Amino acid sequence: RKEVEQDPGPFNVPEGATVAFNCTYSNSASQSFFWYRQDCRKEPKLLMSVYSSGNEDGRFTAQLNRASQYISLLIRDSKLSDSATYLCVDNQGGKLIFGQGTELSVKP
Amino acid sequence: EAQVTQNPRYLITVTGKKLTVTCSQNMNHEYMSWYRQDPGLGLRQIYYSMNVEVTDKGDVPEGYKVSRKEKRNFPLILESPSPNQTSLYFCASSAGAVGNQPQHFGDGTRLSIL
Repeated sequence: RKEVEQDPGPFNVPEGATVAFNCTYSNSASQSFFWYRQDCRKEPKLLMSVYSSGNEDGRFTAQLNRASQYISLLIRDSKLSDSATYLCVDNQGGKLIFGQGTELSVKP
Repeated sequence: EAQVTQNPRYLITVTGKKLTVTCSQNMNHEYMSWYRQDPGLGLRQIYYSMNVEVTDKGDVPEGYKVSRKEKRNFPLILESPSPNQTSLYFCASSAGAVGNQPQHFGDGTRLSIL
């Protein structure tokens, strides 16, 4: 089993849709997580950190469920510019484990 | 401008010819790291460093070496490159010693080993 697993997609959604990604992690001791986005083989860029209480940044909401060991990312009112690959990251004290990424394509 | 700079951006070379990919950051970050990205496998960590003279293996360290003699530089060394090291490589840095701050990535280095 991979340490961090994501549905690779692609998720094809119309503009304005709400889309949710899940990411599961296997290390129950993990404490620190992030969501990154990556555009077409460019460098990954931080989207948001994931906090235990859940956190929101504009149209994006991240949640952490420790009991079930999964992290979610919700994108509301999708824009064309949201088309990218979304990477879930488990930070194990400096050793970072990336999921394979979930591809999102937002269509007009 | 705060940035992570990798060189070269592209390199085609032959099996067995030693090469070094340089990485430099101007943000005074303690933490630096190297990743490779391959289709279907995602980003995998090769080595990371929490500070000068402190380095640790990531998930896929075989065939690579690193050094951290100065805070700003973290070169990746392939002593005897092989075709299975053909990949897209990213260097990253972050504030804080354990990488729990957001990572700033370089633009990537595309290596082809023939």
